[in-house]
Amino acid sequence: GAVVSQHPSRVICKSGTSVKIECRSLDFQATTMFWYRQFPKKSLMLMATSNEGSKATYEQGVEKDKFLINHASLTLSTLTVTSAHPEDSSFYICSARRGSNEKLFFGSGTQLSVL
Amino acid sequence: DAKTTQPPSMDCAEGRAANLPCNHSTISGNEYVYWYRQIHSQGPQYIIHGLKNNETNEMASLIITEDRKSSTLILPHATLRDTAVYYCIAPRTGTASKLTFGTGTRLQVTL
Repeated sequence: GAVVSQHPSRVICKSGTSVKIECRSLDFQATTMFWYRQFPKKSLMLMATSNEGSKATYEQGVEKDKFLINHASLTLSTLTVTSAHPEDSSFYICSARRGSNEKLFFGSGTQLSVL
Repeated sequence: DAKTTQPPSMDCAEGRAANLPCNHSTISGNEYVYWYRQIHSQGPQYIIHGLKNNETNEMASLIITEDRKSSTLILPHATLRDTAVYYCIAPRTGTASKLTFGTGTRLQVTL
C-alpha cells in the first residue's frame, strides 16, 4: 500500500519555541493532506485540510496563526506549531490521499511534548 | 459525513471471529463506508471500504446491509495483534471529502 512518512516521531521542546512536523507521501502524489491531533484515550480530531498550492482550510476552533500549514508540493505538507505551550502537547497525525474519493493513508504520528 | 455509531468496547477470544458493528443510518447513496484501526500510539491503518456490496481482503470482510444503514467488520481469526480501536467512517464524497473520526470501538483480544 501507499506510504506516508511523518517526521519527527517524537519531539520535546521548551515553551515559546516553534516546532515543525513534516508529512511526505513517498510513492504517490497527494492532492490533499489532512492534519489531526489526538489527546490520550480520545479520538482523532481533524485540524485542517491542506491542498497543494493553496491555503489550508482550518476546522472550527483551530487557530490558523498557531498551527501554520504549508503544502508546497504534491508530496510534502508541513505543520508548524508556533510559540508552543504545554497545552499544545499532543499526538499529531497527518494523512494523504491521491484523489478526492480515494482512501486516506496515515503517517505514524508525532508526539509533541512542550515543557 | 454520515453520523456513525459504534459500541465503545468489545472483547474477543484469540482465534475466534471478531464482529464489529457500525450504524450509519443517515448515509447517502454515494457515500462509502470505510474502516480504519488504530493501535496505541500509531497512525490509523486502513482496513477495508465498501459501497453496497460485501467486500473481502486479506485483513477482513465487510458486510453491508441491503438498506446500507449498518455494516459489520469481520476479523475472521482474531489475534492479540488485532487489539486496537476500530473506526467506522462514512465521509461525504467529492472534493470536500474528509475523514472525521468518531469514538470507535476498542477491541480487546484475549487469550
